[in-house]
Amino acid sequence: DAKTTQPTSMDCAEGRAANLPCNHSTISGNEYVYWYRQIHSQGPQYIIHGLKNNETNEMASLIITEDRKSSTLILPHATLRDTAVYYCIVRVDEGGSQGNLIFGKGTKLSVKP
Amino acid sequence: DVKVTQSSRYLVKRTGEKVFLECVQDMDHENMFWYRQDPGLGLRLIYFSYDVKMKEKGDIPEGYSVSREKKERFSLILESASTNQTSMYLCASSSPDRPYEQYFGPGTRLTVT
Repeated sequence: DAKTTQPTSMDCAEGRAANLPCNHSTISGNEYVYWYRQIHSQGPQYIIHGLKNNETNEMASLIITEDRKSSTLILPHATLRDTAVYYCIVRVDEGGSQGNLIFGKGTKLSVKP
Repeated sequence: DVKVTQSSRYLVKRTGEKVFLECVQDMDHENMFWYRQDPGLGLRLIYFSYDVKMKEKGDIPEGYSVSREKKERFSLILESASTNQTSMYLCASSSPDRPYEQYFGPGTRLTVT
């Protein structure tokens, strides 16, 4: 599975967009990009995933570069409750997959008033 | 709203005790997982199950067993608790067609003294 690289920490002002980058330069053609977050003392929370097209849901947008070597998770209007560790994970998503998520160190996002 | 619940948020047990951690999901998911999370080590998969009465070892199954008698319930058992099993235990579930879109419970912080 492709390795991911994320900044250790980021700050964002409340109400502004939070843009969290992830580098996955060795990603292969059948690997998806998944984003999770973990708020302090809670279980991880699935946010969004994508293969090559940009994706949007009620929580966030995922922008994947054309060469798929990097992606950006966008929280359009960050709130204090978005303060969490954000994880970018690359996995092959096909029938019979084991489903073993491998979390790296992630990015600690601090949303400040 | 989808939900994964775990029987306890905090648990303190003595060395040598048998410990049961219960997880229940209401999403009719076939896949269920048990992870542990330790500082600096991230999430590590202990066991998972694709269906009732089926179980597969994850990366660190030693010292643990599991039980899945009903689709919605997945139990983790520590046969004889040891201090190195002090950890945060997280249960998750997913559907087989989206194995990496996992929904996590709040976690159980287990302390073995």
